[in-house]
Amino acid sequence: EVQLMESGGGLVQPGGSLRLSCVASGFTFRSYWMHWVRQAPGKGLVWVARINSDGSSTSYADSVKGRFTISRDNAKNTLYLNMNSLTAGDTAVYYCARIDYASGPLDYWGQGTLLTVSS
Amino acid sequence: QSALTQPRSVSGSPGQSVTISCTGPSSDVGGYGFVSWYQQHPGKAPKLIIYDVNRRPSGVPDRFSGSTSGNTASLTISGLQAEDDADYYCCSYTNRDTLIFGGGTTLTVL
Repeated sequence: EVQLMESGGGLVQPGGSLRLSCVASGFTFRSYWMHWVRQAPGKGLVWVARINSDGSSTSYADSVKGRFTISRDNAKNTLYLNMNSLTAGDTAVYYCARIDYASGPLDYWGQGTLLTVSS
Repeated sequence: QSALTQPRSVSGSPGQSVTISCTGPSSDVGGYGFVSWYQQHPGKAPKLIIYDVNRRPSGVPDRFSGSTSGNTASLTISGLQAEDDADYYCCSYTNRDTLIFGGGTTLTVL
C-alpha cells in the first residue's frame, strides 16, 4: 500500500525557519518525482515545488522561490522541504504527493502537516 | 501566477448531473493534455479522480468524466450521490514546468 507521511509542522515565528519531511512507503520512492502542495486554512490548493526522481532537477512557485528548498534522500525514502524567511502567508497545511512522470497527475497524497507562522 | 478559474460553487440533486469548468491560458489548460481533477472532503487529503483530461484512475466510478474545449477543461459528475458533496480542484501542467491549480469549486448535493 502506497503511503506518504508528512511531519515537522508546528508554530514558527515570522522570519523563522522549519523543515518538513515526508516519508514514503509501499512503492519504489527513487523512481518517482515528488511535489509539495499547500492549503491555507479555508482556502484552495496551491502548488509549491517539485523534484525529479534523482534530485537533480527542481522547480518552485514564484511565491516561495529563494526561500524554500525541496530535496530528497532516496536511501531514506524521504522528501524534504526546507523553509526560510517564513511569513504569515506561509501558514497552511502542507501535503506531499507523488507523480510517476514529469507531467503526470498527483496520484497519491499524504495527510498533510500544519505550519502556523505567528508571533 | 493566478489560479485557473473555476466557479466557486455548484449544486445538484441526487441523480442529476453537474459540470464544473476550469479555464486558463493557452499555455496551461489549452496547451497540454495534462489536466487533472481532485476531490477533497473536509479535513481530508485531495484524491485524484481524473487525469490527462479524461482518464479515470482505477476505482473511480465512471460517473466522473472529463473533457476540454479550447482553454477550458470540464469535469462532469452524472448520477449525483450524497458522497459527491465535496470540493473539486482542477490542475494543469504548465509550459514553465510547474503545476497550477484552480481556485476550487464546492459541490453541494441538495
